[in-house]
Amino acid sequence: ETGVTQSPTHLIKTRGQQVTLRCSSQSGHNTVSWYQQALGQGPQFIFQYYREEENGRGNFPPRFSGLQFPNYSSELNVNALELDDSALYLCASSLRTDTLSGANVLTFGAGSRLTVL
Amino acid sequence: AQSVTQPDIHITVSEGASLELRCNYSYGATPYLFWYVQSPGQGLQLLLKYFSGDTLVQGIKGFEAEFKRSQSSFNLRKPSVHWSDAAEYFCAVGARGGSQGNRIFGKGTKLSVKP
Repeated sequence: ETGVTQSPTHLIKTRGQQVTLRCSSQSGHNTVSWYQQALGQGPQFIFQYYREEENGRGNFPPRFSGLQFPNYSSELNVNALELDDSALYLCASSLRTDTLSGANVLTFGAGSRLTVL
Repeated sequence: AQSVTQPDIHITVSEGASLELRCNYSYGATPYLFWYVQSPGQGLQLLLKYFSGDTLVQGIKGFEAEFKRSQSSFNLRKPSVHWSDAAEYFCAVGARGGSQGNRIFGKGTKLSVKP
């Protein structure tokens, strides 16, 4: 089975620009979560998508938005980039179950490293 | 508020020595508990998880962790460290009943292994 793949691996943007990051889920998974990992910090939950709808969001402003497509792949969009948006963005996929909510195993991609100048 | 604390930012151990990485959490009930490892340029790999039952959990690569409710701790251990274990380790909690993808992570402990 293929794992989670993310693109691009690295990119540089300037303040005020917009960026789109992409994620392909692991085969058989139907849920995608996005995390932001600043340098020297643990990952922080941005949001999760299930059935093409946002299903849970962390403490991130609306300029962070996402999409999930029918094939379960996903995009993370960030508008009006700020210097503090520089981070590693991690995508994780999982198979949603209706029981044991919160207990499903996340499979992470290697991340997209965004630098904002 | 829910939180995870990993008190040690950086630990250095000799190859073959035992290892214990500390994790404390703050949560209103018993959460789901996880340990992940991250090597440079890699994503997070799940080492082990605790959902319920036996409080001593076995994981991959010879790691184990023990859930202690009275101490709100979930420390990771390995009896004999290998040079390939050098990486960053993250403890995380997952909410019961919450968004399934929502994990709260600690800030991580970087493990260095000296020969």
